Amino acid sequence: QVQLQESGPGLVKPSETLSLTCSVSGASIRSYYWSWMRQPPGKGLEWIGYIFYNRSPTYNSSLESRLTISVDVSNNQFSLKLTSLTAADTAVYYCAREVPIGPTVGFDPWGPGTLVTVAS
Amino acid sequence: SQMTQSPSSLSASVGDRVTITCRTSQAIDIHLNWYQQKPGKAPKLLIYAASHLQTGVPPRFSGSGSRTDFTLTISNLQPEDFATYHCQQSSHTPYVFGQGTKLEL
Repeated sequence: QVQLQESGPGLVKPSETLSLTCSVSGASIRSYYWSWMRQPPGKGLEWIGYIFYNRSPTYNSSLESRLTISVDVSNNQFSLKLTSLTAADTAVYYCAREVPIGPTVGFDPWGPGTLVTVAS
Repeated sequence: SQMTQSPSSLSASVGDRVTITCRTSQAIDIHLNWYQQKPGKAPKLLIYAASHLQTGVPPRFSGSGSRTDFTLTISNLQPEDFATYHCQQSSHTPYVFGQGTKLEL
């Protein structure tokens, strides 16, 4: 059974950098694309970006200038760094596996999510 | 591409049949997924490729559509179906989600 778990600070100050890690169990980090999503309180989901272990990451252009996604193969985990935080970055952050499914791809499973609040 | 999901909220009763729609600004063939999200939980993949039920999803859920217009239908609503539903285009990056539909009792 594949499981993902996000970890990182729950509170970050404005202008600082957010660092989150997603630990993967039950699947090799080498075998899939891995994504980050976020969901501001009471709002919809936003895809942040994804990575495959031996390829350059792909980012949502809305965040690209502040974003770095990386993979740690030895620890079977991947990470997100988002710089220059503002209150607008307050959200629940999710990591998820992208799986080929039928003729398309989907996100399955997801981590439980971690709430990140940007406040002084 | 833009995703327009409607309605944003929907009131229904146990046993009802409801339909949620998702429209994209560009054609995406059948690359459209639906997710169910319960309060405080992560989304779960419900339907993939517009009409295919993920393993374990009861047959009262169905999806249809192609190109730009898609629907999620839930027949004979059960208490556990009251949740928020999200559509997502899986055709190309950046992947985009709809705004979500909150299905309330």
